[in-house]
Amino acid sequence: EIVLTQSPGTLSLSPGERAILSCRASQSVNSIYLAWFQQKPGQAPRLLIYGASSRATGIPDRFSGSGSGTDFTLTISRLEPEDFAVYYCQQYGSSPITFGQGTRLEIK
Amino acid sequence: QVQLVQSGAEVKKPGASVKVSCKASGYTFTDYYMHWVRQAPGQGFEWMGWVIPNSGGTNYAQKFQGRVTMTRDTSISTAYMELSRLRSDDTAVYYCARGDVYYGLDVWGQGTTVTVSS
Repeated sequence: EIVLTQSPGTLSLSPGERAILSCRASQSVNSIYLAWFQQKPGQAPRLLIYGASSRATGIPDRFSGSGSGTDFTLTISRLEPEDFAVYYCQQYGSSPITFGQGTRLEIK
Repeated sequence: QVQLVQSGAEVKKPGASVKVSCKASGYTFTDYYMHWVRQAPGQGFEWMGWVIPNSGGTNYAQKFQGRVTMTRDTSISTAYMELSRLRSDDTAVYYCARGDVYYGLDVWGQGTTVTVSS
């Protein structure tokens, strides 16, 4: 099983700042199968990034993904008030599908 | 629009079973796998398995093998997840999610809260 470890656990930033979230895998992940999700309280997850760097339909271009192998990054270039949420990485190329434990992005 | 609509909240006693439904609309049901994922209160996500709507084939996470059954009814574009021998630590929100080979789990249901309590 591929274990995904996200850091930091909590990130406190202000609107307009840049957020950089990390996801590290216990073994190499085919970047085609690395995704990022956003989840707000009481809501289902929303797909942001698939294939490590491709934005899902309707996702603003301030969200970008990068990385390969065991290290992946989600960057939010200029935080908007609606971006404060919990973010999860996920790998779906190897069974079982696994998720990181999440990074909480909170308003400073 | 593409949508997955799940059945309503359930309260069950330990040892009982629960069956959650997930009705798909806006796309061809048999063209995509259907995954099930759960999230315990305040926790992250746990993948449970998938069902292939076309064939009925399944793949379950080892943790749930023997307790989970995933089925589908193509005539009504609905997938089902049944979990038996419920325990208190099965209390969670259960999600269905459409699986695409490139996009991954790209569309999610709204979630079904299952509470297991005596």
